[in-house]
Amino acid sequence: DGGITQSPKYLFRKEGQNVTLSCEQNLNHDAMYWYRQDPGQGLRLIYYSQIVNDFQKGDIAEGYSVSREKKESFPLTVTSAQKNPTAFYLCASSLTSYEQYFGPGTRLTVT
Amino acid sequence: DAKTTQPPSMDCAEGRAANLPCNHSTISGNEYVYWYRQIHSQGPQYIIHGLKNNETNEMASLIITEDRKSSTLILPHATLRDTAVYYCIVRVVETSGSRLTFGEGTQLTVNP
Repeated sequence: DGGITQSPKYLFRKEGQNVTLSCEQNLNHDAMYWYRQDPGQGLRLIYYSQIVNDFQKGDIAEGYSVSREKKESFPLTVTSAQKNPTAFYLCASSLTSYEQYFGPGTRLTVT
Repeated sequence: DAKTTQPPSMDCAEGRAANLPCNHSTISGNEYVYWYRQIHSQGPQYIIHGLKNNETNEMASLIITEDRKSSTLILPHATLRDTAVYYCIVRVVETSGSRLTFGEGTQLTVNP
């Protein structure tokens, strides 16, 4: 089945640790995105990549880093510099300019 | 990007049409209207998009006013599974990949 996978579904970390969230797609999409969602809020764009080895900051990139070494993979690292990392993280990809396909999300809890 | 305004919540009876409004009074000529929905604790799902003509697909219909300052998403026969947050987004389409700005959307609750 084609789609986007994010793992794990739930992730727990201690404050001060970096953590990397996985996002893989087998849809052959060029563009990939990372969003953050806080309770009761809409999605906010963290980073996006339109092509391999290139990515751009979104609206809330501080405290996050990404890489795009392969077309199908776009991992997100939440660094210790991110002041409020506990959130629901969503990865998406798109081929056309209209429709983004979203993964199931990773719920990160930092204590 | 043009700002959108949606009611925070709406209710609908199962089997009836759900009409979700969106105001985008500052929309410019090259901006499209997109609708996505998000069922609780899942990733958002694309529903439909349009520029100025009304659009229909297997999920919904999109009605855009002639001045393009508002639109309505219509779910013709709402089911319990349509309970979700519905997001109206206005965005210029870029050539490869399109940044989407999600507001807080409308929580639609379909009641039995």
